[in-house]
Amino acid sequence: QVQLVESGGGLVKPGGSLRLSCAASGFTFSDYYMSWIRQAPGKGLEWVSYISSSSSYTNYADSVKGRFTISRDNAKNSLYLQMNSLRAEDTAVYYCARVGQWLTDMDVWGKGTTVTVSS
Amino acid sequence: QSALTQPPSVSGSPGQSVTISCTGTSSDVGSYNRVSWYQQPPGTAPKLMIYEVSNRPSGVPDRFSGSKSGNTASLTISGLQAEDEADYYCSSYTSSSTWVFGGGTKLTVL
Repeated sequence: QVQLVESGGGLVKPGGSLRLSCAASGFTFSDYYMSWIRQAPGKGLEWVSYISSSSSYTNYADSVKGRFTISRDNAKNSLYLQMNSLRAEDTAVYYCARVGQWLTDMDVWGKGTTVTVSS
Repeated sequence: QSALTQPPSVSGSPGQSVTISCTGTSSDVGSYNRVSWYQQPPGTAPKLMIYEVSNRPSGVPDRFSGSKSGNTASLTISGLQAEDEADYYCSSYTSSSTWVFGGGTKLTVL
């Protein structure tokens, strides 16, 4: 079945770095845009970044622009999020999501991986 | 990138209908039919319930419906059931080629 599984979360000090991964299965990964969305503890959803199917296009929320980099490896059916210069406010559950074919929605979500930024 | 505006909470009794509003701007909700709604029960990942303003993915009950007028989209849940209790989020594609979510609405089934 269609599945997304995130990994790579953990505890990191302010200013540190972390790389999240998302393994996709059950669909043709290279046909879809992919996105990262995060949710701080007790807060709502915040869109973070997206990448086009061929990696030609990327975009970021202002809150992470210049610090986070999204990438993908279609041969490995994997999506990544490199997070640098982490701040306490980056503490959240990070979800990987498949973008619907007409870019209208996120139609498949992973269960998320938790990132905690604290000294 | 300001969040879309949703009421913090709504409630209704089993069998009743509730409507959750989602107000954006002419740069997001008002410009595109790329409005979607997500259901998130406590401790779980979000689930797509409505896409392109009013379309339901396979498996979503027809009790869930969506609409849009100007800069405001709405999600209506009719025939409320206990299992509908969850947080609901709207989302829209924007003129900056980004997505924006609403702040979320907690639905309580009384």
